[in-house]
Amino acid sequence: EAQVTQNPRYLITVTGKKLTVTCSQNMNHEYMSWYRQDPGLGLRQIYYSMNVEVTDKGDVPEGYKVSRKEKRNFPLILESPSPNQTSLYFCASSLRTGRNEQFFGPGTRLTVL
Amino acid sequence: GENVEQHPSTLSVQEGDSAVIKCTYSDSASNYFPWYKQELGKRPQLIIDIRSNVGEKKDQRIAVTLNKTAKHFSLHITETQPEDSAVYFCAVEAGGYQKVTFGTGTKLQVIP
Repeated sequence: EAQVTQNPRYLITVTGKKLTVTCSQNMNHEYMSWYRQDPGLGLRQIYYSMNVEVTDKGDVPEGYKVSRKEKRNFPLILESPSPNQTSLYFCASSLRTGRNEQFFGPGTRLTVL
Repeated sequence: GENVEQHPSTLSVQEGDSAVIKCTYSDSASNYFPWYKQELGKRPQLIIDIRSNVGEKKDQRIAVTLNKTAKHFSLHITETQPEDSAVYFCAVEAGGYQKVTFGTGTKLQVIP
């Protein structure tokens, strides 16, 4: 089954404790992206990647890191989480570019205390 | 960067009526305009998209229109049904930059 998976689905952590949210797709998509969703603000792009080893900042990259060492995986790293990073996070992938349909993962609800 | 405004933020319609959601954008180089539907507790899913060389696209009860001169595009849902109740997001891909900017969402409620 073609899908985008994220882990964990729920996470409660404390300020400053490094964490990684994994994202994987099995559709051989080149483009992958991370978004955060906050009430009243919609979906905001954090980082995107157009292929292996090619990443770029979205609109809200501060406090986040990403890597794309393999085509299927695109982890999101919070090196020192803060309470303002409490949010619902979605990973997404599309065939080639941002000009194609994006397939979203199930979401990760993160709470930083 | 790209600025996308979406209106209204909430919309209530009677079942069977039409619903229209509008988005405006700022970057004239943008050329891909998708609409996503997000049901409560679920992930966003594409319902329709349009590219800049097309003015209108229809898929059964939903349609999208694009006015590149005015830099706005709209989602039209006809004969609304309760299962259309959801949050709808417009999005814009900034031409050449691969970044995607979403609108802030419209919560549509269809009243039976």
